[in-house]
Amino acid sequence: EDKVVQSPLSLVVHEGDTVTLNCSYEVTNFRSLLWYKQEKKAPTFLFMLTSSGIEKKSGRLSSILDKKELFSILNITATQTGDSAVYLCAVDNDYKLSFGAGTTVTVRA
Amino acid sequence: DAGVTQSPTHLIKTRGQHVTLRCSPISGHKSVSWYQQVLGQGPQFIFQYYEKEERGRGNFPDRFSARQFPNYSSELNVNALLLGDSALYLCASSLVFSDTQYFGPGTRLTVL
Repeated sequence: EDKVVQSPLSLVVHEGDTVTLNCSYEVTNFRSLLWYKQEKKAPTFLFMLTSSGIEKKSGRLSSILDKKELFSILNITATQTGDSAVYLCAVDNDYKLSFGAGTTVTVRA
Repeated sequence: DAGVTQSPTHLIKTRGQHVTLRCSPISGHKSVSWYQQVLGQGPQFIFQYYEKEERGRGNFPDRFSARQFPNYSSELNVNALLLGDSALYLCASSLVFSDTQYFGPGTRLTVL
């Protein structure tokens, strides 16, 4: 059975801090790993990673994949209160996404 | 461009009833997937449809069914509702079945 594990489950930081979120996986037919941000309802797409060692960046967010060790990290630098959300890691194995439980990030002013 | 839309936003049902949830994909997207998200957990895959054909099904009982229409919109039906069916039901669309999935705002179902 596919397994996606995120850590930590939750964390609280202050504005300006850097956050590192972890995602490990064991799935069959790996195609890609995706990160989503979920604030109220709809998860919003952040990154899709398919190749090891290539960092993807979008503003203060960045992510990298290690296909040998089967994990990915999501970094958020200079955090803002608007970064408070649940961050979901998902693995695409052809026709479905298998999600982790998410990491709840709370950024205090 | 309009994103994925879902209706209704929320609804309340009692045990034993059935429910139909609706999803309209992003214009041009031909694949629709359904997920169930219970409070405090990540979304769980229910179905994927592409070009009106079912491509995959998750580990859900036969009470759950879905279909996709010629305009690529989709319905999720759940019969004989149980208390444990209370969840946020998310619909996601993609250009083709292998492409990035974009999610709608979900339907919050409460079963009493």
